[in-house]
Amino acid sequence: AQSVSQHNHHVILSEAASLELGCNYSYGGTVNLFWYVQYPGQHLQLLLKYFSGDPLVKGIKGFEAEFIKSKFSFNLRKPSVQWSDTAEYFCAVNAVNSGGYQKVTFGIGTKLQVIP
Amino acid sequence: EPEVTQTPSHQVTQMGQEVILRCVPISNHLYFYWYRQILGQKVEFLVSFYNNEISEKSEIFDDQFSVERPDGSNFTLKIRSTKLEDSAMYFCASSEEGVPYNEQFFGPGTRLTVL
Repeated sequence: AQSVSQHNHHVILSEAASLELGCNYSYGGTVNLFWYVQYPGQHLQLLLKYFSGDPLVKGIKGFEAEFIKSKFSFNLRKPSVQWSDTAEYFCAVNAVNSGGYQKVTFGIGTKLQVIP
Repeated sequence: EPEVTQTPSHQVTQMGQEVILRCVPISNHLYFYWYRQILGQKVEFLVSFYNNEISEKSEIFDDQFSVERPDGSNFTLKIRSTKLEDSAMYFCASSEEGVPYNEQFFGPGTRLTVL
């Protein structure tokens, strides 16, 4: 069964600081990888996704993530955070099971607090 | 841009009561999903649904839960006899048919509070 680990549960940064949130997954087959963001009081929104090709993917709002297959990692980065990035960030894996059906497995989430 | 919608946004119910959470997936999507997020915990997969039947379900999705596509647009999650521990945010999602690895689009969620 697939699983997702997020290493930082709560991160506090000052504005303009750089961000890196760790994500590791375990799954033996081909996966799609996602980062979702949940702003306070809002629903899950897709930040970026990796399906295939260039392992460095760029998403919305200046976020990017790098898929390193050998490390089973998909870390999220942003060079300079803003107060508006305060939110909870979820790494997720989408894998197809033996029956050909897919489900998304989420990490526990990282709460990011950006201090002005 | 098409989106998944869910109603109600907040449902309060008494323990033991039945609740039905409603979702309208994106119109050309044929795979449907329910997830839940207990406060302070991660988002957990409940069930996936395709071609009018459950394709996969988690251990959380016991006999108290059921899903249905009663018409061409709605996708519902029913909890027959709610328990306190069913209090959570419930998210519906949908994805396109025919592509095994595909992005799931999530709705805004229904917050269920069981008293």
